[in-house]
Amino acid sequence: DIQMTQSPSSLSASVGDRVTIKCRASQSIGTYLNWYQQKPGKAPKVLIYGASSLQGGVPSRFSGSGSGTDFTLTVSSLLPEDFAAYYCQQSLSLPYTFGQGTNLEI
Amino acid sequence: QVQLQESGPGLVKPSQTLSLTCTVSSGSISTGPYYWTWIRQPAGKGLEWIGRIYRSGTTNYNPSLKSRVTISVDTSKNQFSLNMSSVTAADTAVYYCARAGGFGELEHWGQGNLVTVSS
Repeated sequence: DIQMTQSPSSLSASVGDRVTIKCRASQSIGTYLNWYQQKPGKAPKVLIYGASSLQGGVPSRFSGSGSGTDFTLTVSSLLPEDFAAYYCQQSLSLPYTFGQGTNLEI
Repeated sequence: QVQLQESGPGLVKPSQTLSLTCTVSSGSISTGPYYWTWIRQPAGKGLEWIGRIYRSGTTNYNPSLKSRVTISVDTSKNQFSLNMSSVTAADTAVYYCARAGGFGELEHWGQGNLVTVSS
């Protein structure tokens, strides 16, 4: 299985901050990397697919980059509703695997 | 847009079989290049991909669960289902169904169904 490692596991930030979350794959996955946001008690919501494509309806303050083994999710200016957990997922090789998550906290 | 809804018991006894159904609405399970997928999440933990099914019935499973899991599809009811046998407390989790898009991204999710394994 491809192992996905996110950093940091938790992150404290403030409204208006620019934050970056990293995801590393144990082997090259090209751009088959997706990012999700999950709020407490809710299902995850896809933000970015294909490493850098913004899912429809997702605000443009979210962006993704990277290819191969190293990827980044950036939120350009945090809003209160952005405080949540974030997960990366590789979708190149079965079984699809997720990172362990990053908790973005105030 | 397409909506998914899980249904099934919230409590299953150890060694028994967990059975969940996902009903798809506002879209046909028989059309499109989509994989219909099950994912689970133990409380306070991360996400685990369980497996998926295509409209043709072709399935893929997580090897860690493959011996205990069966995913099936009923296109006449616009539903797909998960059966997991010989459950233990370690299978206690919120179980989600989802539709995967062309990049494998899970673009539509159900609201989740908490399943507790306990006697």
